[in-house]
Parts: sequence; C-alpha cells; structure tokens
Amino acid sequence: QSVLTQPPSVSAAPGQKVTISCSGSSSNIGNNAVSWYQQFPGTAPKLLIYENNERPSGIPDRFSGSKSGTSATLGITGLQTGDEADYYCGTWDSSLSAGWVFGGGTKLTVL
Amino acid sequence: EVQLLESGGGLVQPGGSLRLSCAASGFTFSSYAMSWVRQAPGKGLECVSTISNGGGGTYYADSVKGRFTISRDNSKNTLFLLMNSLRAEDTAVYYCAKSLARPKDNFDYWGQGTLVTVSS
Repeated sequence: QSVLTQPPSVSAAPGQKVTISCSGSSSNIGNNAVSWYQQFPGTAPKLLIYENNERPSGIPDRFSGSKSGTSATLGITGLQTGDEADYYCGTWDSSLSAGWVFGGGTKLTVL
Repeated sequence: EVQLLESGGGLVQPGGSLRLSCAASGFTFSSYAMSWVRQAPGKGLECVSTISNGGGGTYYADSVKGRFTISRDNSKNTLFLLMNSLRAEDTAVYYCAKSLARPKDNFDYWGQGTLVTVSS
C-alpha cells in the first residue's frame, strides 16, 4: 500500500489530454513539493515535473503539474504514442518516519 | 554530464548480506543528498534510504530500518548501501538517485539500477 494514491491506469486517444491525480496528506503533499517521474519498461525513472509545476530543461510544455492542498495533478496534452509509460508522483513525508514517498504509479495507455 | 553507476547486485540467500555501491561523476558529489530507491518486479517505486550531503542525516523506510545502512565516501564520490538480514521481499532493482540539493528535494538524476535477488 503506497502512501500516495494514484489511479492504476488511465487512457486516452492520440492528440487528447489526460490528467493523473495523486492524493496524500498534510504530512507529505500538504507541506512539501511534489515531483513526477516517467518510466518506460526496463529503464530508470526520469524527472518530469519538480516543485509542483516546474519542468526540467528538455521536457516539452505538453507536460504540466499542479498542486492544491493535499493533492497534485499531472497533465499531458497532445498525447503521443511515445507517452505510453508509467508515471509516479513523489514527495517528502515529514511524519515521524520522515523520508521520500511515492504513489503506486499510473500506467498511461495511448489508444 | 551527470553519471551514476550502481554495482554490487546479485543473487543472495535469505538472511545474507550484500553491499551496493554507486559511483558518481559529473557533479560535486559532496554538495548533494543521495538516495537508494528500489523497484520490486512489476511493482512501484520505494525509497529505502536517503543521506544528506555530509552524511550526518540518514533516513530509512520502515521496511528496512535496522537492516540496511546507507553511507557515503565524499573523497571517492561513492554512495553505499549495506543490506543485512535480506528477505525475499527485498528482491528488486535498486537505483541510486541524486537529489536536487537537500534530502527532501526531488531526484533529478537516476542510475541504471542493479538487480538484487534474494532466494535460496
């Protein structure tokens, strides 16, 4: 059971828009920045969004992030078949057992 | 160019020990927190341990507390994870990850991972 909650899967057609939610609590998302990671099968995760809504250089502006209260959302517009991957949200948890926590991951299928 | 190269994975029996290493290059290693993140086959990501840039602050997931020890040698640009009392559920690909700065900051670079298999 992951500390952060994500939908197991989402799907949409090429060119469409999709959002992936990430729900937490006051000890994690509520008081710390959220980042998002993209992972293709057999490869390491890659940073997609940091500080809730910032994109590293090289990440297209089709990818966006937002945060409100204890939830965060990843948005992807103009879907491409190459976007099919697993997406993970993550943040620091400031509870007694402080440390990094992740969502369970969301498999994006571009139909 | 930032590079993180893990090594030390392999097959180990339950109850055994293993030490993972992560050789870092392309950045000032001593200025950044580092972490070990694992992924069991077909499962999601779990951060098992994080260490501050100087090594004075360490954090562990409850699942490994008391069994795993994270450390670093800033003179050799190397991160370590000593894993004792290994269990079947520790089987995973272990990634070394660099933080943007502090332990609570996001991971901006990841290694390619090293596979640890715990089985008799």
